[in-house]
Amino acid sequence: AQRVTQPEKLLSVFKGAPVELKCNYSYSGSPELFWYVQYSRQRLQLLLRHISRESIKGFTADLNKGETSFHLKKPFAQEEDSAMYYCALRNTDKLIFGTGTRLQVFP
Amino acid sequence: GAVVSQHPSRVICKSGTSVKIECRSLDFQATTMFWYRQFPKKSLMLMATSNEGSKATYEQGVEKDKFLINHASLTLSTLTVTSAHPEDSSFYICSAGQGIIQYFGAGTRLSVL
Repeated sequence: AQRVTQPEKLLSVFKGAPVELKCNYSYSGSPELFWYVQYSRQRLQLLLRHISRESIKGFTADLNKGETSFHLKKPFAQEEDSAMYYCALRNTDKLIFGTGTRLQVFP
Repeated sequence: GAVVSQHPSRVICKSGTSVKIECRSLDFQATTMFWYRQFPKKSLMLMATSNEGSKATYEQGVEKDKFLINHASLTLSTLTVTSAHPEDSSFYICSAGQGIIQYFGAGTRLSVL
């Protein structure tokens, strides 16, 4: 069955520390994976997708098919990165979301 | 980027009444829109896929007679919660797809008294 797992509900770090938000998936085909972010009082928005292999706001995510992972990383966290982060897997035209990880970056 | 407008942002209603939520793609056409429900501190649960000009596709466990979806045009989908009860109180979010990217509305908080 298709599934997205984000094992951490909350991740707290200090400003300038590295961040890694974990995401593992279960999918029988070739996965398309995304990271969505929801800042306080804002709507959910796309952060990045694996297919574009880009860095957005300093975040990167590499698809590791061997480990079925798509962890989100940033070398130096900023306070404005505090938000809810959702990993999502595309299944036909639908998105399957993980349960989300709240990132708190303290000054 | 593409914008999805969702209205109303908040609604409070009495038990037994029906509530309609609108989802509009403002600057693009969407043959497919999606409706989610988000429980407190939990993930988004896909309720149904709204298909323009045809019947919506509901996820397992979602009552289609309870949650009526209409996608009459390429820019508008509506979700009607019929005969709402307190357990229907939740945050409902729509999204519209443009290519493989989904753009989300700001959500509607429904409170049923």
